[in-house]
Amino acid sequence: AQTVTQSQPEMSVQEAETVTLSCTYDTSENNYYLFWYKQPPSRQMILVIRQEAYKQQNATENRFSVNFQKAAKSFSLKISDSQLGDTAMYFCARTGGNTGKLIFGQGTTLQVKP
Amino acid sequence: DTEVTQTPKHLVMGMTNKKSLKCEQHMGHRAMYWYKQKAKKPPELMFVYSYEKLSINESVPSRFSPECPNSSLLNLHLHALQPEDSALYLCASSQDRGLAGTDTQYFGPGTRLTVL
Repeated sequence: AQTVTQSQPEMSVQEAETVTLSCTYDTSENNYYLFWYKQPPSRQMILVIRQEAYKQQNATENRFSVNFQKAAKSFSLKISDSQLGDTAMYFCARTGGNTGKLIFGQGTTLQVKP
Repeated sequence: DTEVTQTPKHLVMGMTNKKSLKCEQHMGHRAMYWYKQKAKKPPELMFVYSYEKLSINESVPSRFSPECPNSSLLNLHLHALQPEDSALYLCASSQDRGLAGTDTQYFGPGTRLTVL
């Protein structure tokens, strides 16, 4: 099965600290994209960061960075200097072949505490 | 500009009503998607339109009827829904249909649907 697994249903972090959300996936494809989406309580699904599988360099977007380990099929998200506005559900996802489908993990609920 | 808009934000309807959800994007994207999302769950794909043609129907019941009038607009027509259809309905768009697995999907804010 082509799955995406997020093993941490819930996490919490103190404001200004660093937190890492884990994601592993299964695929037999060689070319695919990986994504982290954020969905705050307002429910808007927002793209946080994306990684192209053929690129070895880890993607970064301001306080957000990924640790992409292609051989291990691992794609973790690191949030530095956590802010209260980072409180949200985070979904890891990957593209699924040529179908246009996104395959999502079950999500990790992150709470940033003041 | 990575904006996808959806109207209405909230919708309450009875099981005998007919209503429509609307989605619009002006990013020149040629693929558009409907998802259904239950609370604390990932989105579930319903339909995919590519170049204004329906390309994927994930075995969705016929009480949901999608329509793509042009490349910027996507509608979801609702009829004879059941209470279990209550959910957040998300629209998304991407540049093409994900050929070579490279699409990035951008989501709208969703329509929260309640079926009484």
